[in-house]
Amino acid sequence: GEDVEQSLFLSVREGDSSVINCTYTDSSSTYLYWYKQEPGAGLQLLTYIFSNMDMKQDQRLTVLLNKKDKHLSLRIADTQTGDSAIYFCAAYSGGYNKLIFGAGTRLAVHP
Amino acid sequence: NAGVTQTPKFQVLKTGQSMTLQCAQDMNHEYMSWYRQDPGMGLRLIHYSVGAGITDQGEVPNGYNVSRSTTEDFPLRLLSAAPSQTSVYFCASRQGRGGDTQYFGPGTRLTVL
Repeated sequence: GEDVEQSLFLSVREGDSSVINCTYTDSSSTYLYWYKQEPGAGLQLLTYIFSNMDMKQDQRLTVLLNKKDKHLSLRIADTQTGDSAIYFCAAYSGGYNKLIFGAGTRLAVHP
Repeated sequence: NAGVTQTPKFQVLKTGQSMTLQCAQDMNHEYMSWYRQDPGMGLRLIHYSVGAGITDQGEVPNGYNVSRSTTEDFPLRLLSAAPSQTSVYFCASRQGRGGDTQYFGPGTRLTVL
């Protein structure tokens, strides 16, 4: 079935850029999302990209999509301690009308 | 708008007990769903509903029941709680199909002893 995979942990220094990667299997995914989860909280939508786009930029966030390789990445510029959280990649499966989530990448930002 | 609300925030059950996790949304969304979140496994879909009176199973439906009598409410029932159901449960809603933004509730942390 459909699957979304991402690495589980990333550690970066404050002020550096963070890049979180994700791969998905459903080639018909039309929307791809990045959610952020802070400790003890629900998921908050950060950004999303349509499958007909290669890149989307939103302030410090840049999303890159390689549709051929089914690879999605989230770049956070000038990473701050407040960016420490779990980041989930999700792909919308039109055939099943549901979102498929990855396991989440825990981003740790250290001074 | 309150968005998506869930009650309770925390719950401890004994094996074999039953309970209902409540979820409500005030955005008139058609699509609602329940997920469970376990360490290292991300979010797994339990049940979902595409409108009042319509429900369907997700990836991990066993041990859970749902109903959707109104657009606003989508309760999740645990029939006979088991330790394997210890998890954090999230309810979510969105307007309809496609890429509509999915909004999440704050979660219910359930422990089954």
